[in-house]
This record gives sequence, structure tokens and C-alpha cells, in this order.
Amino acid sequence: DGGITQSPKYLFRKEGQNVTLSCEQNLNHDAMYWYRQDPGQGLRLIYYSQIVNDFQKGDIAEGYSVSREKKESFPLTVTSAQKNPTAFYLCASSTTGTGNYGYTFGSGTRLTVV
Amino acid sequence: KNEVEQSPQNLTAQEGEFITINCSYSVGISALHWLQQHPGGGIVSLFMLSSGKKKHGRLIATINIQEKHSSLHITASHPRDSAVYICAVREFGGGADGLTFGKGTHLIIQP
Repeated sequence: DGGITQSPKYLFRKEGQNVTLSCEQNLNHDAMYWYRQDPGQGLRLIYYSQIVNDFQKGDIAEGYSVSREKKESFPLTVTSAQKNPTAFYLCASSTTGTGNYGYTFGSGTRLTVV
Repeated sequence: KNEVEQSPQNLTAQEGEFITINCSYSVGISALHWLQQHPGGGIVSLFMLSSGKKKHGRLIATINIQEKHSSLHITASHPRDSAVYICAVREFGGGADGLTFGKGTHLIIQP
């Protein structure tokens, strides 16, 4: 079955270290997204990509970086510049344009920085 | 940018009760999602709606496009339904810059 795979489910890192979160989809979706969730807040958009080799900043991109070298993959790096990296991170993918709309969510990665 | 409001923020009910969670938004949309998140767990997609009503098991989702409002109903609620329920909307124009999410409704079903 097609879907999105995020790994790992739980991740622990020491403060000051960069960490990369994986997101892979086999749905042939053009667009991919990274969201962040903090307690008591709605999910907020970090970065999105509508096509390979192109990506755009979302509402809270500072301290994060992404790449989109393949259609299937959209890894997110949480850099040491991110002041409060401990959060739940959600990857998603979707179709684009006015055709049949599809939006799929990963199961998320909970990152804890100590 | 769309504003998505959910109510109530927190809801505690007894097993077997009929549950309603509401979602309202400020700008016209092309689709609305209902998601479920268990404590410490990931996100599960429950419904995607653009009009009318959908049903899956004990869950029913409705949307009123004119009133910019959606409801998620749970019939014969059970403790395993305890979770955070999140509403998210996709705006017109493709919405390829992402969804807008509500803050979630924290539901506890007591046995």
C-alpha cells in the first residue's frame, strides 16, 4: 500500500547537535510538507516543496533546512540554530493542481533535545 | 490566511455518550480534514470532506460550506476514543502551501 514513512518515531539528541528527520512517500505526490506541533498549539508549517529541487519556507523555517533531491524524499534537518527543537514533527504529501485531490499524513517523529 | 477554531478545547464524557466536536473557519476552503492523535502517538487521518457528510464506523463528519463549519460526531463513545481531534483546512487555489490547523480538541472518555 502507498503511504508516508517517517522515521524514527522517537528521537533523542544532545543540545547543539544537528539532527535529520526522514520522510519518504511512494504515492507519486508532487508536494511534500513539514509541520511542527508544540503543546497547546496547532501544527505549523516549517517548509514545503511542490516539485523536485525546489522548496519554500513556511511560517517557522528559522533553524531548519530541507532538501528535495528526489520526488519520494523530503528530509528535514533541525540545526543547532533552532532554539527550541523539542517538538512533534509531522510530514505530509499531497497532489497539486485542480485534479483529484489527495493528502496523506505521516505518523510523526517526536524529537527530544536534552 | 484562514483562522481555524475548534470547540470545545477539552471534553470529558462518560462511555456511551454521543460526542460532538466543532470546527469553524474564516475563509472559503476546498477541503477539510479531521485527524486523530493519541497521547504520545502519531497522526491518523479520519476524514477528508469537501461537502456533505461521511461516516466510518462510529464516526460521522459533516460540513456546511455556507456556514464555514464542520462537526465530528462519535456515537457510542468508548475509552479508546480518548485522543486529540484536529481539524485542518485546505484553501482554494490548490493550497499547495500547506494546510491550516486548529489547536485540537482533547477528548477523554471515562469508563
